Amino acid sequence: NAGVTQTPKFQVLKTGQSMTLQCAQDMNHNSMYWYRQDPGMGLRLIYYSASEGTTDKGEVPNGYNVSRLNKREFSLRLESAAPSQTSVYFCASRSGLTLHFGNGTRLTVT
Amino acid sequence: SQQGEEDPQALSIQEGENATMNCSYKTSINNLQWYRQNSGRGLVHLILIRSNEREKHSGRLRVTLDTSKKSSSLLITASRAADTASYFCATAADRGSTLGRLYFGRGTQLTVWP
Repeated sequence: NAGVTQTPKFQVLKTGQSMTLQCAQDMNHNSMYWYRQDPGMGLRLIYYSASEGTTDKGEVPNGYNVSRLNKREFSLRLESAAPSQTSVYFCASRSGLTLHFGNGTRLTVT
Repeated sequence: SQQGEEDPQALSIQEGENATMNCSYKTSINNLQWYRQNSGRGLVHLILIRSNEREKHSGRLRVTLDTSKKSSSLLITASRAADTASYFCATAADRGSTLGRLYFGRGTQLTVWP
């Protein structure tokens, strides 16, 4: 049982480049989330999807877009990367009241 | 912000000792959860306590919740080197949000020395 899978694990971008972070879960969960984790800041919610076909903004959505492709997959897109988006990005899915996390994508924007 | 705040930021103990971490939050909650994060990995759910509960146990973990003080504590008894990790509290709102949104604190880094 793979749980929540994120790709890639590491990525380096130049300012202005775009990329998509992929996330897939095999637990048949309805809700999925994208968080970013920065030193001293804890985890902050970027976007979430309560169910297939719906997405909503979290605390820090600026500079990001998301797509809930199907029940399994929830992608995060950076259209024009900025150094402030250097972070570790975590995808999660929800079972009941608790979250299951992937192992993260470490993104550096130079 | 509803974000929880853990205290202390860092804790260093010897194997066999107990580790206590605290979490304070600002608004009313439906439940409070504790998660653990090993270096370079994602967060893993440890335990959940609902707003109408005062104490909960799971193995070597004991969680307390005091809603009047808006605080919670996580106690790890007889700690092991393998308990070395960051520990986060997360709160869920008691109204206005039914979508499972959790607000995480900044975490406590626990180091257990052999």
